[in-house]
Amino acid sequence: GENVEQHPSTLSVQEGDSAVIKCTYSDSASNYFPWYKQELGKRPQLIIDIRSNVGEKKDQRIAVTLNKTAKHFSLHITETQPEDSAVYFCAARGTSYDKVIFGPGTSLSVIP
Amino acid sequence: ETGVTQSPTHLIKTRGQQVTLRCSSQSGHNTVSWYQQALGQGPQFIFQYYREEENGRGNFPPRFSGLQFPNYSSELNVNALELDDSALYLCASSLFRGVANTGELFFGEGSRLTVL
Repeated sequence: GENVEQHPSTLSVQEGDSAVIKCTYSDSASNYFPWYKQELGKRPQLIIDIRSNVGEKKDQRIAVTLNKTAKHFSLHITETQPEDSAVYFCAARGTSYDKVIFGPGTSLSVIP
Repeated sequence: ETGVTQSPTHLIKTRGQQVTLRCSSQSGHNTVSWYQQALGQGPQFIFQYYREEENGRGNFPPRFSGLQFPNYSSELNVNALELDDSALYLCASSLFRGVANTGELFFGEGSRLTVL
């Protein structure tokens, strides 16, 4: 079945540094790759997404890259701030129906 | 525009009991997905409902069942509760417009179930 792996599981960076989270997916038919941020005790919220016909997308300090051949996609956060501290989930959606599969998450800590 | 709402927010059950969790989808959305999120883990897909029918299921046993109503709200039912069912149950709604064109998932705050 579909599977999404995510690394690292925890990440600690100094404020102002960059953070990179990497994911791989198993279903070659996947065509939509969202990233969610979940703060402690809160609901997951979409921060950026990318579709399979695009290789890179940027929104201010956040960027996502997609390599369909290798079935890899990555989240890049530049100029990190303490409020970026949260758990980040990558996800992939296949084409059979609207099912979105999540990775296990990366706990990001930004140290002031 | 109203967001996704879930009830109850917290509940405690004992092994063997049954539970029903409820979800009201965001206005304009036609699809509801349910996820189980154990502590420290990613959301695990349980199933999805579209047009009042189950539109796909993850690796969960039949004692997990659901319904979607004409107003697109949904219920998740779990029978014969086990200790491992303790988790945050998240409902997410979306607007499904075909496999090549879907909208983002909007999550509710979740229902935290504790099974003793």
